[in-house]
Amino acid sequence: SQELEQSPQSLIVQEGKNLTINCTSSKTLYGLYWYKQKYGEGLIFLMMLQKGGEEKSHEKITAKLDEKKQQSSLHITASQPSHAGIYLCGADSSGMNRDDKIIFGKGTRLHILP
Amino acid sequence: DAGVIQSPRHEVTEMGQEVTLRCKPISGHDYLFWYRQTMMRGLELLIYFNNNVPIDDSGMPEDRFSAKMPNASFSTLKIQPSEPRDSAVYFCASSLFYGGAENIQYFGAGTRLSVL
Repeated sequence: SQELEQSPQSLIVQEGKNLTINCTSSKTLYGLYWYKQKYGEGLIFLMMLQKGGEEKSHEKITAKLDEKKQQSSLHITASQPSHAGIYLCGADSSGMNRDDKIIFGKGTRLHILP
Repeated sequence: DAGVIQSPRHEVTEMGQEVTLRCKPISGHDYLFWYRQTMMRGLELLIYFNNNVPIDDSGMPEDRFSAKMPNASFSTLKIQPSEPRDSAVYFCASSLFYGGAENIQYFGAGTRLSVL
């Protein structure tokens, strides 16, 4: 079965610094989703990547999917306190198989120091 | 739309008691998912429904867990009897599609369950 490994498990950065979170899959990714979870709240969808080499940005957050479609990174530029939370990657390894599950990584806890 | 609505937000109960978690999905979404989140195991899919029909309940940990979706706007997850190891945050999510290349799931705020 597919597994998603996120690194690092937790991250503490000074406000204004850049940071990167990684998500690595044991199988080829057909759809890779990034979610953010504020502490004590539900998950909020950020971005979805499908094609090898694809890159998407929203405000100061950029997500990339490598050419082999087995690794994704989430990069935050000039971090702010509002970026604090848990970032989870989720993936569907089956392509168009509608019976497969969406697997989530265990998340990366991000703390921003003022 | 108000998004996915879960109730209660917090539930504290004693071991052996019955617990019922509730979820109202986004109107028009055909899929509904129940997840459990713990520090040790992360986010685990328990069961999902398509058009009110349970499709895959292989993630349900034991017979003590059951889920129903009597109509398109309401689902319940029941634990009977509850045990301390059931303590976790339970999320409900809904989506238009499932599987394949496009599946954006919208999550509720979760129910934090503590079984004493």
